[in-house]
Amino acid sequence: GAVVSQHPSRVICKSGTSVKIECRSLDFQATTMFWYRQFPKQSLMLMATSNEGSKATYEQGVEKDKFLINHASLTLSTLTVTSAHPEDSSFYICSARGTSGTTYNEQFFGPGTRLTVL
Amino acid sequence: DAKTTQPNSMESNEEEPVHLPCNHSTISGTDYIHWYRQLPSQGPEYVIHGLTSNVNNRMASLAIAEDRKSSTLILHRATLRDAAVYYCILRDRTQAGTALIFGKGTTLSVSS
Repeated sequence: GAVVSQHPSRVICKSGTSVKIECRSLDFQATTMFWYRQFPKQSLMLMATSNEGSKATYEQGVEKDKFLINHASLTLSTLTVTSAHPEDSSFYICSARGTSGTTYNEQFFGPGTRLTVL
Repeated sequence: DAKTTQPNSMESNEEEPVHLPCNHSTISGTDYIHWYRQLPSQGPEYVIHGLTSNVNNRMASLAIAEDRKSSTLILHRATLRDAAVYYCILRDRTQAGTALIFGKGTTLSVSS
């Protein structure tokens, strides 16, 4: 199946700093990528939908100025958590939607990034 | 997307079959039934999906009720590596480009 990677897998930062998380589709092109957040013992919550070359669409309650999403190419989307605070500590998961062939409309998930803000 | 109801948790013994139920009484005619699972500290992975007929793949089987108001994910022989949270998700096939929305899922524990 198609592979989605995330980098870094784990990051610890100080309060007030910004953190960038990369999401790449390794063997397919993804015009649409999704970002989720998961707090301990909870389910995944959709944060935003990102289309290549367009501004991301954020879910209600997600601050677009705090969670900056860039989707500059068909294989890369980035999520930047600006001025991170301890309450932003979470497991961030990206997902990419296949656009052709056997991957068409299937949604593939990355391994996640564990963010800890001290 | 229509809502699904799953038990919070289930337990199984290794090498025994596991039947994970999902109720979706408000399912529409164009909703696909998807199953994903999430192993600890990992992203979700696709398990199986179907519309009306039962489906089999190398990971599992999906049994869909005749009225489509419920379905059951069947793991034929559970292994310790099958311990995960299993999510049953409905998605309208006309909305296939939108994000999957996750409920609480069923946490499956497997004992040796």
